Amino acid sequence: DVKVTQSSRYLVKRTGEKVFLECVQDMDHENMFWYRQDPGLGLRLIYFSYDVKMKEKGDIPEGYSVSREKKERFSLILESASTNQTSMYLCASSSPGGFRRAFFGQGTRLTVV
Amino acid sequence: GENVEQHPSTLSVQEGDSAVIKCTYSDSASNYFPWYKQELGKRPQLIIDIRSNVGEKKDQRIAVTLNKTAKHFSLHITETQPEDSAVYFCAGGAQKLVFGQGTRLTINP
Repeated sequence: DVKVTQSSRYLVKRTGEKVFLECVQDMDHENMFWYRQDPGLGLRLIYFSYDVKMKEKGDIPEGYSVSREKKERFSLILESASTNQTSMYLCASSSPGGFRRAFFGQGTRLTVV
Repeated sequence: GENVEQHPSTLSVQEGDSAVIKCTYSDSASNYFPWYKQELGKRPQLIIDIRSNVGEKKDQRIAVTLNKTAKHFSLHITETQPEDSAVYFCAGGAQKLVFGQGTRLTINP
């Protein structure tokens, strides 16, 4: 069975902290994505990666960075957390090619206080 | 950049009736269009997808249609049931997947 696992379900962090969100997939997928989900705004792409050590900016990369040192792991980093980064964060992975079916992790609900 | 617009934002139908959700996309290079269903507190799950070389695809009670010329695609759910209540997202893209804003579908018994 397909598995995308995010390290935390809920996180509470203080303003200014450096925050790491981890995502691991066991499907040997090349593509990995980080989305943020806010009511009424759908899923907005923060960063994605097509291969190890490769990264591309999505639609809302400001305030975030990513790391992909191994194929199965994709990390999202909030350099200095702010209250407007309070959100649900979803990781996904997919294979390349025509049917790029993306599988999602269970989500991390991050609250910045 | 790429953009996907989804309508309506909320939809309420009587059990047994049909529901239709519509999306438009901006990038002509988009070639893959999946639909996801997200139940409360759960992760989005793929329910059906279509590639740009196909105009329609059906899987039991759900179907997706694609009009490449007009750059729009739609999800059709027939004979709706209470368990169809959820938020539905369309997506499109050439390399990355861009999602619509979501439609909250409520099936009234």
